Amino acid sequence: DSGVTQTPKHLITATGQRVTLRCSPRSGDLSVYWYQQSLDQGLQFLIQYYNGEERAKGNILERFSAQQFPDLHSELNLSSLELGDSALYFCASSAGRRSSYEQYFGPGTRLTVT
Amino acid sequence: AQKITQTQPGMFVQEKEAVTLDCTYDTSDPSYGLFWYKQPSSGEMIFLIYQGSYDQQNATEGRYSLNFQKARKSANLVISASQLGDSAMYFCAMREVSNNDMRFGAGTRLTVKP
Repeated sequence: DSGVTQTPKHLITATGQRVTLRCSPRSGDLSVYWYQQSLDQGLQFLIQYYNGEERAKGNILERFSAQQFPDLHSELNLSSLELGDSALYFCASSAGRRSSYEQYFGPGTRLTVT
Repeated sequence: AQKITQTQPGMFVQEKEAVTLDCTYDTSDPSYGLFWYKQPSSGEMIFLIYQGSYDQQNATEGRYSLNFQKARKSANLVISASQLGDSAMYFCAMREVSNNDMRFGAGTRLTVKP
């Protein structure tokens, strides 16, 4: 158990809908990262937050947004969903914002868009 | 541009033998971190080992060691005394200080034979 929690575990929704994925980092970790893992794109970094502020942005679509709240939990919002958004979405946390800090991953949320 | 290359889609190893999983990377940033993660069939991502670009010695964590050859830009993972539970996907990743995102390779599926 990494100490990172994600809810829900599974999500099935229809095209055009909007969903929110939730992540709670390990106790004491200030950085939260979001990743998307799909069969065709592999594992892709989406976005990082550090202590409530956006720190780094990867291949995140404009239809997607995220935030980190004062209690450090984070939410990833996916809107106008398309079939290609079906993937495993991971949240990870680390103690700091530097590249040297290892990231601990949550169990993931499997999103299926039908 | 592809920054992390794992050239072995699949590898087989006999139980109790050692195996090397290859990873090469591309960066012009002098400061970066290299990571290896394990993803079993259950789907979670498990952090294995970290190597900093300025670290003089190769990283080791139990049965895992990282063969870091900076001039060649390679960061191969060596697993000694393979166990059946080592069967999983293994991902190499790099994080540059300059842009702070995390790039993953396509992964290598390791199968340990009894």
